[in-house]
Amino acid sequence: QKEVEQNSGPLSVPEGAIASLNCTYSDRGSQSFFWYRQYSGKSPELIMSIYSNGDKEDGRFTAQLNKASQYVSLLIRDSQPSDSATYLCASSGAGSYQLTFGKGTKLSVIP
Amino acid sequence: EAGVTQFPSHSVIEKGQTVTLRCDPISGHDNLYWYRRVMGKEIKFLLHFVKESKQDESGMPNNRFLAERTGGTYSTLKVQPAELEDSGVYFCASSPLGQGAYEQYFGPGTRLTVT
Repeated sequence: QKEVEQNSGPLSVPEGAIASLNCTYSDRGSQSFFWYRQYSGKSPELIMSIYSNGDKEDGRFTAQLNKASQYVSLLIRDSQPSDSATYLCASSGAGSYQLTFGKGTKLSVIP
Repeated sequence: EAGVTQFPSHSVIEKGQTVTLRCDPISGHDNLYWYRRVMGKEIKFLLHFVKESKQDESGMPNNRFLAERTGGTYSTLKVQPAELEDSGVYFCASSPLGQGAYEQYFGPGTRLTVT
């Protein structure tokens, strides 16, 4: 059974701080990893994808992947109240388009 | 560019009735996926179309669920007859072939309530 685990939160950070969201996965064959942001009642929005070990930066977001530890993280720098949402971690296996999701971490950025 | 659209946004039906959900993918996206989120659980994969062909339907829970994608454009997901455990939010997603194929863009979902 492939699983993606996330701390459900809520994770509360003050405005301007760094928010750190973590995710572990059970399937060593996982090759592709994604972070989605979901506002309440809205669609999951793809914000980051990462395919190889190391860091990938896009604006205020940095995704980190460590395949040896089966660990993925998302850092949000200079957190804003508009970043308050549920963040979903997802993975897919080699050659597979089937996404396995975690339950999500709820982030609250306090003004 | 219009995103993935789904219809209806909400549906309330009685156990034993039939419901059909519709998904219109992003224009030009040949990959189309259906997912479902049951309350308190994670989003789970149902199936994957490439154009009009079912590429992977390993997540379909049982034969009460029928997905189609005639002509390789929009897709429908029919539940017949609906059971209480079918309640949840049904998401559709799409992605292009080739570059970016693994990056799926989700629609707003259809919230299905079976009473």
